[in-house]
Amino acid sequence: GQQLNQSPQSMFIQEGEDVSMNCTSSSIFNTWLWYKQEPGEGPVLLIALYKAGELTSNGRLTAQFGITRKDSFLNISASIPSDVGIYFCAGQNDYKLSFGAGTTVTVRA
Amino acid sequence: DVKVTQSSRYLVKRTGEKVFLECVQDMDHENMFWYRQDPGLGLRLIYFSYDVKMKEKGDIPEGYSVSREKKERFSLILESASTNQTSMYLCASSPLVAGAFGQYFGPGTRLTVT
Repeated sequence: GQQLNQSPQSMFIQEGEDVSMNCTSSSIFNTWLWYKQEPGEGPVLLIALYKAGELTSNGRLTAQFGITRKDSFLNISASIPSDVGIYFCAGQNDYKLSFGAGTTVTVRA
Repeated sequence: DVKVTQSSRYLVKRTGEKVFLECVQDMDHENMFWYRQDPGLGLRLIYFSYDVKMKEKGDIPEGYSVSREKKERFSLILESASTNQTSMYLCASSPLVAGAFGQYFGPGTRLTVT
């Protein structure tokens, strides 16, 4: 499977800031997913996107499925300390997921 | 809630040992997966099973084998552990048609091979 290009690799954010991360691929995906992994745990699904151009929110999180079906971004608004973790994008075709390398988020209090 | 459990959170094994990692899911999912997670590389698929006794190789199957004798249980086997297999191992499950929910992950097993 192909690895997606996820950026940035890491970020330090100030509490209250809005932040963005994105993911690109050379292949088209039918579904884009965003996961969060906290220390010592497995990834947990945050948002799933099924349609090109779709914009979906989950609380302070907003994600978009790119028009070309080859990219997606995730925004976190008004960061809080519990936003710390690793965020992974994943593209899905059929049963198979291809993952980005992850964005490590650390919040400065 | 879907629950995926893994038999150990931490394991330390010696080079050459045979290692078994066990995964159990309680949602009657058809699909089960084993991934390896390494810093900067994300999650890479080792093996996948879509039914009892059925398996398919993922992206990095070398040095690993799997067993699925019951629908709820999927085992990853390292026949002869090597130091380059030191990693975090994640199990996941999903319905046959993954649809809205992607895959559900277990908490992971951090394996160290010395």
